[in-house]
Amino acid sequence: QKEVEQDPGPLSVPEGAIVSLNCTYSNSAFQYFMWYRQYSRKGPELLMYTYSSGNKEDGRFTAQVDKSSKYISLFIRDSQPSDSATYLCAMSEKSNTGKLIFGQGTTLQVKP
Amino acid sequence: DTAVSQTPKYLVTQMGNDKSIKCEQNLGHDTMYWYKQDSKKFLKIMFSYNNKELIINETVPNRFSPKSPDKAHLNLHINSLELGDSAVYFCASSQSGFPYEQYFGPGTRLTVT
Repeated sequence: QKEVEQDPGPLSVPEGAIVSLNCTYSNSAFQYFMWYRQYSRKGPELLMYTYSSGNKEDGRFTAQVDKSSKYISLFIRDSQPSDSATYLCAMSEKSNTGKLIFGQGTTLQVKP
Repeated sequence: DTAVSQTPKYLVTQMGNDKSIKCEQNLGHDTMYWYKQDSKKFLKIMFSYNNKELIINETVPNRFSPKSPDKAHLNLHINSLELGDSAVYFCASSQSGFPYEQYFGPGTRLTVT
């Protein structure tokens, strides 16, 4: 069993829809939770990070962490065709090594 | 200006050859990483250097050898390439204290035939 599980999709939604992307994990030592976005043939770019539990909002994006369930989510409101990409969750323990454990990524397509 | 750059972008080579990938960052970061992304998009860390010191060395064949001449550069040398080495290799960097905020390069797509 992988430390971080993420449904690869693909997920196809109409423009304007609310998108929910999720990851589950098994390592209770994870403290930092990140979402990266990767466009086709590009490197991942950090969207948001959350430390420990709770919610964080940035524009149309909301990240949620439920440590009791070992479950994290990314919500995208008013989705746009430009949001079409692969979304990777990543997690790390509370250390300064920078060792991130990534999920497989969910491919999202937002249709106009 | 490109923050994290990698060369080459594409690399096609035959089994048994030795090749190198170069990475440079102009963000002033002190930590750099190499990741491998396989055909199923799994992104897995291979190595990490902080101020030229090896910090992370995951279970990677010793045919892979990183080298950091200074904190702005991290190169990856691969000996005796195998078919299974075909993947996209990403370089990334971050600043101490913000290890989760990693900036990735555009990737090097390696194909071994």
